[in-house]
Amino acid sequence: GAVVSQHPSWVICKSGTSVKIECRSLDFQATTMFWYRQFPKQSLMLMATSNEGSKATYEQGVEKDKFLINHASLTLSTLTVTSAHPEDSSFYICSAMGQANTEAFFGQGTRLTVV
Amino acid sequence: GENVEQHPSTLSVQEGDSAVIKCTYSDSASNYFPWYKQELGKRPQLIIDIRSNVGEKKDQRIAVTLNKTAKHFSLHITETQPEDSAVYFCAASIGHDMRFGAGTRLTVKP
Repeated sequence: GAVVSQHPSWVICKSGTSVKIECRSLDFQATTMFWYRQFPKQSLMLMATSNEGSKATYEQGVEKDKFLINHASLTLSTLTVTSAHPEDSSFYICSAMGQANTEAFFGQGTRLTVV
Repeated sequence: GENVEQHPSTLSVQEGDSAVIKCTYSDSASNYFPWYKQELGKRPQLIIDIRSNVGEKKDQRIAVTLNKTAKHFSLHITETQPEDSAVYFCAASIGHDMRFGAGTRLTVKP
């Protein structure tokens, strides 16, 4: 299957700082990328859907000014958690879909801890 | 928009028994139904999928059935093994709009 790489796999940051997470499709062009938040033992909560070259579509309740999503190329999307607070600590995971198929490929996830 | 419900949220079976996870979806236009397995600390990975023009699909010990009329689909795992223990997610999609169920934590006891 196709490969999606997410970086970093874990990050610890101080409260009030911003953190950027990258999601790359390594061997296919990802026309659509999805960002999820996953709490321990819970489901994948879709935060936003981004299509290359256009603004992300955020799910209800997700603050677009806090979780900035950029999908500037067909192989890269970034999620920036701005002014992070301890309650933002979570597991963030991306997935990507190519033009030709409907299977979504997941990145390995990023464990964010805000102290 | 699409809404996917998944049951049960947790499932515990004895090794060798079968496990069934059920999902329902709300949008009759959904045409692709994948199932993902997420092992502890790892990324979700596709284990089987089915499209709306097919009623059943099987791959060794796993099978998926789809009832378009009732808008529900199910995952069946036979002869379960401890390594089947994981969280399983169903999803329903139309094009690039994919929605996941809440997940089922399957535990296979040896």
